[in-house]
Amino acid sequence: AQSVSQHNHHVILSEAASLELGCNYSYGGTVNLFWYVQYPGQHLQLLLKYFSGDPLVKGIKGFEAEFIKSKFSFNLRKPSVQWSDTAEYFCAVNSLNTDKLIFGTGTRLQVFP
Amino acid sequence: DAMVIQNPRYQVTQFGKPVTLSCSQTLNHNVMYWYQQKSSQAPKLLFHYYDKDFNNEADTPDNFQSRRPNTSFCFLDIRSPGLGDAAMYLCATSREVGVAGQFQNIQYFGAGTRLSVL
Repeated sequence: AQSVSQHNHHVILSEAASLELGCNYSYGGTVNLFWYVQYPGQHLQLLLKYFSGDPLVKGIKGFEAEFIKSKFSFNLRKPSVQWSDTAEYFCAVNSLNTDKLIFGTGTRLQVFP
Repeated sequence: DAMVIQNPRYQVTQFGKPVTLSCSQTLNHNVMYWYQQKSSQAPKLLFHYYDKDFNNEADTPDNFQSRRPNTSFCFLDIRSPGLGDAAMYLCATSREVGVAGQFQNIQYFGAGTRLSVL
């Protein structure tokens, strides 16, 4: 069965610090990969996605993620975080054969001014 | 403008009293999903509709039912809520898009309904 692991459960950073959130998945076939963000009191929003092509994908608000197939990873990065990036971040995967998303348990990011 | 709308945002019910949560969409997507999300946990898929075809997850309790009367609306019925059913319930929609010979499927989420069971 597919699964998604996010090893960082809670990350605390100061503004302007660099961010990297880990995401690993287990599935041997071709996958689509997503990062969703959930700001306090708001709905899940798509941050970025990877379907095919360039493994380095850029999303909204300066976020990017790199798909490394050999490591089954899709880590999220941002060079310089802002206080407004405080949110919960979820990595998700689906295989090409299914409409279903498998989510990781999420990483709570707190950014202090 | 909200594209996936869930009502109500907060719902309080009593132990064992049936409750219905609603979801509507303006995206005309053919797939609709219901997730349960408990505190500090990943959203867990309960079931989804592919057009009118209902797909139940194997571990979704019988206590949870769903209806989709038309493309725009989908309902989650909890027949006899227990204390363990208190959670955030998320509705999502998607539509497969063919790009360069590959189907791409992006899910769009509503704001959720937080259910409390007293």
